[in-house]
Amino acid sequence: QVQLVESGGGLVKPGGSLRLSCAASKFTFRDYSMTWIRQAPGEGLEWISSIRGDGDTIYYADSVRGRFTISRDNAKNSLYLQMNSLRAEDTAVYYCARVAPRVGDRYFDLWGRGTLVTVSS
Amino acid sequence: SYVLTQPPSVSVAPGETARITCGGNNIGSKSVQWYQQRPGQAPVLVIYYDRDRPSGIPERISGSNSGNTATLTISRVEAGDEADYYCQVWDSNSDHLYVFGTGTKVTVL
Repeated sequence: QVQLVESGGGLVKPGGSLRLSCAASKFTFRDYSMTWIRQAPGEGLEWISSIRGDGDTIYYADSVRGRFTISRDNAKNSLYLQMNSLRAEDTAVYYCARVAPRVGDRYFDLWGRGTLVTVSS
Repeated sequence: SYVLTQPPSVSVAPGETARITCGGNNIGSKSVQWYQQRPGQAPVLVIYYDRDRPSGIPERISGSNSGNTATLTISRVEAGDEADYYCQVWDSNSDHLYVFGTGTKVTVL
């Protein structure tokens, strides 16, 4: 069925790096902008980065700009998040989400189940 | 940065109506979405464009938006409605382009 599946989470030391992946299934991946959203333990949702379908336009929240890099491979139906210089406050479940497709849509109509990133020494 | 404020919790008896508010400066001029997050699960879109429901979302769930407050209403509450609910808007002037509310935990008594 139509789905998103994240992978790549785990335990990493402060200052370390991690690469998250999100595999998309059963929809035309290149037609959709994609997003990473995170949720710290017991906290709310925080948008951190988006990338348009062609990969040419990218946005970041200030909290991750310069440390995280979003990318995609439309041939592999995959979204990525390279996370460098990780901090304890980056500890969270990271969700991959699809942005609804119509021009002007600014919401997320499909979410993955998330992958947990823990930054701790 | 644009801020969306929700009550931390709402309690409601089965069969009654739950109303969850989302406050923001002139939020009525923006499009508001609502997501339901059951314990241990990913969020699910339940309302978009203030009041539209994705397929599969029951008519018991409705939304409205005016002035400085958007509201999610759940009628005839069931045990399965117990979850966290988040409102969301897009704001091009914010650091976070997609802004989420602080979240409301709905408890079914």
